Amino acid sequence: QKEVEQNSGPLSVPEGAIASLNCTYSDRGSQSFFWYRQYSGKSPELIMFIYSNGDKEDGRFTAQLNKASQYVSLLIRDSQPSDSATYLCAVRGSSASKIIFGSGTRLSIRP
Amino acid sequence: EAGVAQSPRYKIIEKRQSVAFWCNPISGHATLYWYQQILGQGPKLLIQFQNNGVVDDSQLPKDRFSAERLKGVDSTLKIQPAKLEDSAVYLCASSLSGIEQFFGPGTRLTVL
Repeated sequence: QKEVEQNSGPLSVPEGAIASLNCTYSDRGSQSFFWYRQYSGKSPELIMFIYSNGDKEDGRFTAQLNKASQYVSLLIRDSQPSDSATYLCAVRGSSASKIIFGSGTRLSIRP
Repeated sequence: EAGVAQSPRYKIIEKRQSVAFWCNPISGHATLYWYQQILGQGPKLLIQFQNNGVVDDSQLPKDRFSAERLKGVDSTLKIQPAKLEDSAVYLCASSLSGIEQFFGPGTRLTVL
């Protein structure tokens, strides 16, 4: 079992709709959860991080965390073509400060 | 504020050759990371420095990879000898708080 799992996609969403990206993790003691966006040929950039169960909103983005289910998600409202990218879920485990990345979900927003 | 700088941006070498990458983190950032990102995968941590001390190098193939961070600022990552499977983008990142990591543009390595 991979430590951080994501569906590779591609996930195709019409412009203006809500894009929902999901991630599961294996380390039950994980403390911190991150979503990075990576455009093709570019470096990852942090979108959001979340520590506590529940929702955290920042503009069009909402991160959701459910530690009991070991599940974290990212919702993107009013999706724009510029949101087309690969979204990487990353988790900081319980034992150290190392952050483990998933393989990413490729999101495509169609006009 | 200047971002994380890396050089070279691209490198093509033959297997068994050696190569070195350089990273200059954002000024004041004590934590520096080297990641390897193979096409279609997420970044994999190779080594993490806190100032000039190593925090985690558990996934660094130490028989061929080495890294140093002199004076707690710049860092170099070396591969000697390179293998075909080392073809990847090598990303350097730095962090002030340990929460947000700022990534450099990366070095794309092709091993022939």
